[in-house]
Amino acid sequence: EAQVTQNPRYLITVTGKKLTVTCSQNMNHEYMSWYRQDPGLGLRQIYYSMNVEVTDKGDVPEGYKVSRKEKRNFPLILESPSPNQTSLYFCASSPTRLARYEQYFGPGTRLTVT
Amino acid sequence: GENVEQHPSTLSVQEGDSAVIKCTYSDSASNYFPWYKQELGKGPQLIIDIRSNVGEKKDQRIAVTLNKTAKHFSLHITETQPEDSAVYFCAASKGDSWGKFQFGAGTQVVVTP
Repeated sequence: EAQVTQNPRYLITVTGKKLTVTCSQNMNHEYMSWYRQDPGLGLRQIYYSMNVEVTDKGDVPEGYKVSRKEKRNFPLILESPSPNQTSLYFCASSPTRLARYEQYFGPGTRLTVT
Repeated sequence: GENVEQHPSTLSVQEGDSAVIKCTYSDSASNYFPWYKQELGKGPQLIIDIRSNVGEKKDQRIAVTLNKTAKHFSLHITETQPEDSAVYFCAASKGDSWGKFQFGAGTQVVVTP
């Protein structure tokens, strides 16, 4: 089944404890992206990657890191999480060949930082 | 940078009626405008998109219109059904840096029988 998977789905952690949220897609998509969703603010883009070893900042990159060493994986790293990073996080991927831009979203990761 | 505003934030319609959600964007260079539907507990799912070289696109009960001069685009859902109840998001992206997306704040649509 073609899909985007995220792990973990739920995570409660404490301020300052480094964590990684994994994202993997099995559709051979070039493009991948991370978003956070907060009430009343919609989806805000954190980072995106047009292809392996190519990443760029979205609108809210502060406090996050990403890497794209393999085409299928795009992990989101919080080096020192803070309570304002409590949010619902979505990973998405998209084919870029033939100018197709539709994004396929994962199921989401709900992160709570205390 | 680009700013996308979405209205209304909530929309309640009777089953069978039409629903319209409107988004405005600020960057005239934006040229790709998708709409996503998010059901409770799930990730957003693309329902329709439009590019700046097209004024209208339709897919069964769903249509999107684009007014480049006024910089706004709208989602139209006709003959609404209870399964149309969800949160809808609009978004905008530019062709030269299309990987960067700005989303609207979302519209909660409730279809009452």
